[in-house]
Amino acid sequence: DTAVSQTPKYLVTQMGNDKSIKCEQNLGHDTMYWYKQDSKKFLKIMFSYNNKELIINETVPNRFSPKSPDKAHLNLHINSLELGDSAVYFCASSRREVSSYEQYFGPGTRLTVT
Amino acid sequence: QKEVEQDPGPLSVPEGAIVSLNCTYSNSAFQYFMWYRQYSRKGPELLMYTYSSGNKEDGRFTAQVDKSSKYISLFIRDSQPSDSATYLCAMYDEGGSEKLVFGKGTKLTVNP
Repeated sequence: DTAVSQTPKYLVTQMGNDKSIKCEQNLGHDTMYWYKQDSKKFLKIMFSYNNKELIINETVPNRFSPKSPDKAHLNLHINSLELGDSAVYFCASSRREVSSYEQYFGPGTRLTVT
Repeated sequence: QKEVEQDPGPLSVPEGAIVSLNCTYSNSAFQYFMWYRQYSRKGPELLMYTYSSGNKEDGRFTAQVDKSSKYISLFIRDSQPSDSATYLCAMYDEGGSEKLVFGKGTKLTVNP
């Protein structure tokens, strides 16, 4: 009964390819997030969706496009992958009206671009 | 100046030691202060949160917030090898950006 799950766990691909990462939460939360954690472990928010509406859109290249088909799912599509995109991507979720600061994270997707 | 500063360590202590982890911040609008623990190759998990200034205790863990100094701390008493992880402080401005701002994390190793 995983709370926040991500697929795939590992992703190795070549520069220029397009890839997607999927996230699902079964906590009944209304807000979901994508974070990027670089090699120095710095965790930075990329996007946030509340009930399928984009509410946070940080300064990330437009090669990154989030999509939320419903409030339990948030996917991340990355076009034309670059070496600098190599990182661990975490999905998270929370209940916005109650405690947005209390976020539950998935296990991460380790992306390696060669 | 970064919004949240945290010494990345690494910090290595013997089992049973008292550990002190700290963060400073610059945005006085932050009201919620969190500590997340991240084991190797896992996602961060919320350990404790504090609203505004003050102390909060949960078992061997104590979180302190001093808003006047813009300084937060996490103390771990009787540290155990299972406490070995990276500890990330995070802060949240409820009426503002609605995003968690993380420190860089401090890697802690507790040696048996």
